[in-house]
Amino acid sequence: SSELTQVPAVSVAVRQTVRITCQGDSLRSHYATWYQHKPGQAPILLIYGKNNRPSGIPDRFSGSSTGNTASLTISGSQAEDEADYYCGSRDTNDNHFLFGTGTHVTVL
Amino acid sequence: QVELQESGPGLVRPSETLSLTCTVSGDSIETRYWSWIRLVPGKGLEWIANSGDTGSANHNPSLAGRISTSLDTAKSLISLRLSSVSVADTAVYFCARIVRYSRSLWYFDLWGRGTLVTVSS
Repeated sequence: SSELTQVPAVSVAVRQTVRITCQGDSLRSHYATWYQHKPGQAPILLIYGKNNRPSGIPDRFSGSSTGNTASLTISGSQAEDEADYYCGSRDTNDNHFLFGTGTHVTVL
Repeated sequence: QVELQESGPGLVRPSETLSLTCTVSGDSIETRYWSWIRLVPGKGLEWIANSGDTGSANHNPSLAGRISTSLDTAKSLISLRLSSVSVADTAVYFCARIVRYSRSLWYFDLWGRGTLVTVSS
């Protein structure tokens, strides 16, 4: 099956912008989705489809995609954005789902 | 308000079968799709299976042959059984509601907080 690759960790200063990328063959034909997870909490859906945010997700979170790479951008990072971020998509085997390897974001 | 609550044994011995349940409140499990996902320490999220779908085609191939899922609509319960567990199955297990929006877009719009399962003798 396919894989989705993310950089393990990034850091960003408060109020600055950070972009997290996700690479994989499945992204050529399926949309990426993005999730935020903090220890002990339920993961949260941030972005789905072309660049859709569920109700309640701040507009500083945005998504984009080109070819086999999808990106999550946090514009104007806040301290509460420190978390693990995972991309995900339907697999090239259509009945399966893939998650990315995850990126830990540290807000300085 | 829809809520998902996982429950499990906490500790399982190697080679035994792990049984987990997810109680759904505020939604109908019959008219939605549900999935099991785990967070493996040091490895990240891993999709396990779509509950309610028949056949192993909807199970993670790396866990093939060890997974079974079921729905109890009367109790609004989603269940997962994972047989022949090993230390590698130690993880936080989540249930989540999956939206199959189109052929090119599936996503998990609601998750439980997860339950920690440790496999140890």
